Amino acid sequence: DAGVIQSPRHEVTEMGQEVTLRCKPISGHDYLFWYRQTMMRGLELLIYFNNNVPIDDSGMPEDRFSAKMPNASFSTLKIQPSEPRDSAVYFCASSRDRVGEQYFGPGTRLTVT
Amino acid sequence: AQSVTQPDIHITVSEGASLELRCNYSYGATPYLFWYVQSPGQGLQLLLKYFSGDTLVQGIKGFEAEFKRSQSSFNLRKPSVHWSDAAEYFCAVGSPNFGNEKLTFGTGTRLTIIP
Repeated sequence: DAGVIQSPRHEVTEMGQEVTLRCKPISGHDYLFWYRQTMMRGLELLIYFNNNVPIDDSGMPEDRFSAKMPNASFSTLKIQPSEPRDSAVYFCASSRDRVGEQYFGPGTRLTVT
Repeated sequence: AQSVTQPDIHITVSEGASLELRCNYSYGATPYLFWYVQSPGQGLQLLLKYFSGDTLVQGIKGFEAEFKRSQSSFNLRKPSVHWSDAAEYFCAVGSPNFGNEKLTFGTGTRLTIIP
């Protein structure tokens, strides 16, 4: 299996622009997670899905952030408009079930100037 | 609310020496506990997990961890480190109510290995 795939690996954008991060989970995994990692706040869970349905988005920082999972093999995290404080590494992870191991993608490093 | 503390931000160990990384958690009942490793530029990889049963847990790459309820700790150990163990290590706590769905991660411990 190719593992969790994220694109792009690096994104540099200007403040105010829309940013879309993409994730392909491992086939057969029912759970998908979006995390953000920063030096100041560490690794934070933003939102997670079960069978394509958002279960908990309490970690989403504000309305500028949105996430979708239109099917079992694809999810997006969108930031509109982006701000410099959104600069971070964003990870996608998937797991087979609620107690199975979470497999992390390589992350997308976002820089907002 | 659950929380995790990793008191050591950075640890340096000689290759071949033993290693112990500390993790303390706060949770009202028996938690689910995890150790993850992150190599530079990579995502996190699960080393081991504790849900219940034997309090000494064996993981991949020769790591083990011991759950001590009385100390609210879940320290990670390795008897002899290798240069390839240099990475960042994260302890995480989950709850039986949510499984691994809502993990809380510690701030991480960076491990440096010197020859």
